[in-house]
Amino acid sequence: RKEVEQDPGPFNVPEGATVAFNCTYSNSASQSFFWYRQDCRKEPKLLMSVYSSGNEDGRFTAQLNRASQYISLLIRDSKLSDSATYLCVVLRGSSASKIIFGSGTRLSIRP
Amino acid sequence: ETGVTQTPRHLVMGMTNKKSLKCEQHLGHNAMYWYKQSAKKPLELMFVYSLEERVENNSVPSRFSPECPNSSHLFLHLHTLQPEDSALYLCASSQEGASYGYTFGSGTRLTVV
Repeated sequence: RKEVEQDPGPFNVPEGATVAFNCTYSNSASQSFFWYRQDCRKEPKLLMSVYSSGNEDGRFTAQLNRASQYISLLIRDSKLSDSATYLCVVLRGSSASKIIFGSGTRLSIRP
Repeated sequence: ETGVTQTPRHLVMGMTNKKSLKCEQHLGHNAMYWYKQSAKKPLELMFVYSLEERVENNSVPSRFSPECPNSSHLFLHLHTLQPEDSALYLCASSQEGASYGYTFGSGTRLTVV
């Protein structure tokens, strides 16, 4: 079993729709959580950190469920420019080498 | 511009060549990383340098040789590569502990012919 698992998709949704991704992690000692976005043939970029109480940044909402060991990303009123691969990232310790990337969920927004 | 600069952006090399990838960060971070991303595969961690010491080497073949002369610069020396080494090579930096996440460079797209 992978330490960080994501549904690979692709999710194909119409512009304006709400879409949600989940990511599960296996190590209960994981400490920090992030969502990254990667456009085709580009580098991953930090979208948002995920805090225990949940957090929102514009149309994006991230939530953490430690009991069930998953994090989620909700995108409201999706735009064409949201089309990308979304990477779930988990930091499972305090060392720089303990960051684990999920395989990514591909999202395609259609007009 | 993310604050992490990688050169070259594209590289084509023969299997007998020797080349080097360069990464420079201007963010004051003290940890730097090399990742490999092959088509349709997740990111694979190759090397981690923290405070200029190599702290992780994920069973990477010896034809890849990293060098970290200071906290702002990271190199990946390549020699006698194989076609399956063709991939996007990403450099990243963070503060030690990475609790604020990574910043990636734009990557070097390597093709081995």
